[in-house]
Amino acid sequence: KAGVTQTPRYLIKTRGQQVTLSCSPISGHRSVSWYQQTPGQGLQFLFEYFSETQRNKGNFPGRFSGRQFSNSRSEMNVSTLELGDSALYLCASSPLALSYEQYFGPGTRLTVT
Amino acid sequence: SQQGEEDPQALSIQEGENATMNCSYKTSINNLQWYRQNSGRGLVHLILIRSNEREKHSGRLRVTLDTSKKSSSLLITASRAADTASYFCATDDDGNNRLAFGKGNQVVVIP
Repeated sequence: KAGVTQTPRYLIKTRGQQVTLSCSPISGHRSVSWYQQTPGQGLQFLFEYFSETQRNKGNFPGRFSGRQFSNSRSEMNVSTLELGDSALYLCASSPLALSYEQYFGPGTRLTVT
Repeated sequence: SQQGEEDPQALSIQEGENATMNCSYKTSINNLQWYRQNSGRGLVHLILIRSNEREKHSGRLRVTLDTSKKSSSLLITASRAADTASYFCATDDDGNNRLAFGKGNQVVVIP
């Protein structure tokens, strides 16, 4: 099976812009989670989607949003970018739920200037 | 505080030596997982140990879980240069349906 793919791999945006990141989970996986990784805060949970429904959300402002499509592909959107949004955004998929083994994609490196 | 906090140490060892890292957490869990990350890439799942298990092995990896102390350890035996990476523990934060990762332990294996 193909692994989790994320596009784009690298992105440079300026403050105030918005960005959309995409994640394609492993075929058959219905749970998709998103994480933000920064040197200062480490890995932080953003949200999880299962069968197109957001099941859980981390402690991030409303500028961070996401969705999942019927084919389980997921997108996350960050509006009104701030410098502090510069991070590695990781997507992970799982057959059932967060509490099971997560399969991570390579991440999207977002730089906000 | 964040769940799954590893002892904040960077470890530098010689190839062939064993590497041990620890993780502590604060709330009840269903399971605890360990992941490896190579230099800014995605995480790779290493091992999952359930709350009713005390020890688990996978190849050169040995994980222990002490729920009374809310702690876990990961042992890598006979380390190799390819084991150079950051290692994270993650707990499922029982009841919140989210994974909480620790800060990570950087391990450098010198050939």
